[in-house]
Amino acid sequence: DAGITQSPRHKVTETGTPVTLRCHQTENHRYMYWYRQDPGHGLRLIHYSYGVKDTDKGEVSDGYSVSRSKTEDFLLTLESATSSQTSVYFCAISESRRKGETQYFGPGTRLLVL
Amino acid sequence: AQTVTQSQPEMSVQEAETVTLSCTYDTSESDYYLFWYKQPPSRQMILVIRQEAYKQQNATENRFSVNFQKAAKSFSLKISDSQLGDAAMYFCAYRSAGSDMRFGAGTRLTVKP
Repeated sequence: DAGITQSPRHKVTETGTPVTLRCHQTENHRYMYWYRQDPGHGLRLIHYSYGVKDTDKGEVSDGYSVSRSKTEDFLLTLESATSSQTSVYFCAISESRRKGETQYFGPGTRLLVL
Repeated sequence: AQTVTQSQPEMSVQEAETVTLSCTYDTSESDYYLFWYKQPPSRQMILVIRQEAYKQQNATENRFSVNFQKAAKSFSLKISDSQLGDAAMYFCAYRSAGSDMRFGAGTRLTVKP
């Protein structure tokens, strides 16, 4: 299994509070991604990073920010959590952005916003 | 934008039997990859199989094989000799050069003993 951990694994928070999710990898892969998984939608890309301090938006980036200060860590921040952000969040990594490249996924974080 | 459609929210199969999961996609690109990912109850996403659009031969990985129909934009997954451990959500995904991965909504597969 690829060395990807996510923390926390479960979190319950209240509307309006800031939340930060962490993804940590030990594979030294250049690319890191944050997805959210919702019933009926599969996985959708929030943001991705192509290097330290290099990030770009995905399909559903509104309400989220990311940071990558080290190769191994990619943080996802909800500045002011809303109930619509209740979801399961997955981090993924890959060596490149080639279309056939395998993405390896972390175990996921279940977030509930009350 | 490219879309991926899995029209079967749920499927079931008897142990040792064969089941086929359907996936269709919409794209104007000619060069792309298609993937099937498995998500067991542990939530871990696992790559099952991938297919390059330029390859006519259908990909096979042990008991898993695909039926890739490029003109019809169809990419189905066949699981032979189904096992209890095959029970999971299965996601079809698409990716072309310069695009992000697009996932379908998933099909939940139940395996009956």
